[in-house]
Amino acid sequence: QKEVEQNSGPLSVPEGAIASLNCTYSDRGSQSFFWYRQYSGKSPELIMFIYSNGDKEDGRFTAQLNKASQYVSLLIRDSQPSDSATYLCAVNRDGNKLVFGAGTILRVKS
Amino acid sequence: GAVVSQHPSWVICKSGTSVKIECRSLDFQATTMFWYRQFPKQSLMLMATSNEGSKATYEQGVEKDKFLINHASLTLSTLTVTSAHPEDSSFYICSARDLAGVADTQYFGPGTRLTVL
Repeated sequence: QKEVEQNSGPLSVPEGAIASLNCTYSDRGSQSFFWYRQYSGKSPELIMFIYSNGDKEDGRFTAQLNKASQYVSLLIRDSQPSDSATYLCAVNRDGNKLVFGAGTILRVKS
Repeated sequence: GAVVSQHPSWVICKSGTSVKIECRSLDFQATTMFWYRQFPKQSLMLMATSNEGSKATYEQGVEKDKFLINHASLTLSTLTVTSAHPEDSSFYICSARDLAGVADTQYFGPGTRLTVL
């Protein structure tokens, strides 16, 4: 079992729809969780982090964390073609290193 | 805020030469920086953790004598790929952890694309 698992996709959504990206992790001791966006040929860009159960909203993005079920998700409202990218879920396991999932490819069709 | 730079952004070198990549945190201090490698269509692979003033910690399978890391100040870490070979061609990305940040957030540099001929 991988430490951080994501569906590789691609996830295709029409412009204006809600995109839902999911991530599960195996280590119950994980403390903080991150979503990064990576465009092709570019480095990852931090979107959000979350460390408490529940929802955290920032503009069109909402991160959701459920530690009991060991999953974290990212919702993108009013999806735009510019949101098309690979979304990486990362988990801080030991207070130092991040463990990344393989990423989910999102395609927003106009 | 939280800007990380890398230099060079791309480099092409001959097999057998050494290449140095710099990673700088521009507007914050980072006692810890990380070096990743990413091959096409694959996820990030952590190579090593660079700690200011001490030796780097390498991940299993990463040759420390081939990938030399120096973290001389709170804003600069360097990765030197020694005796580079074509199989070392990859996208090398550094990240820095903001001391004053929340939840151990890492900010990534723009990456360095290395091509070894």
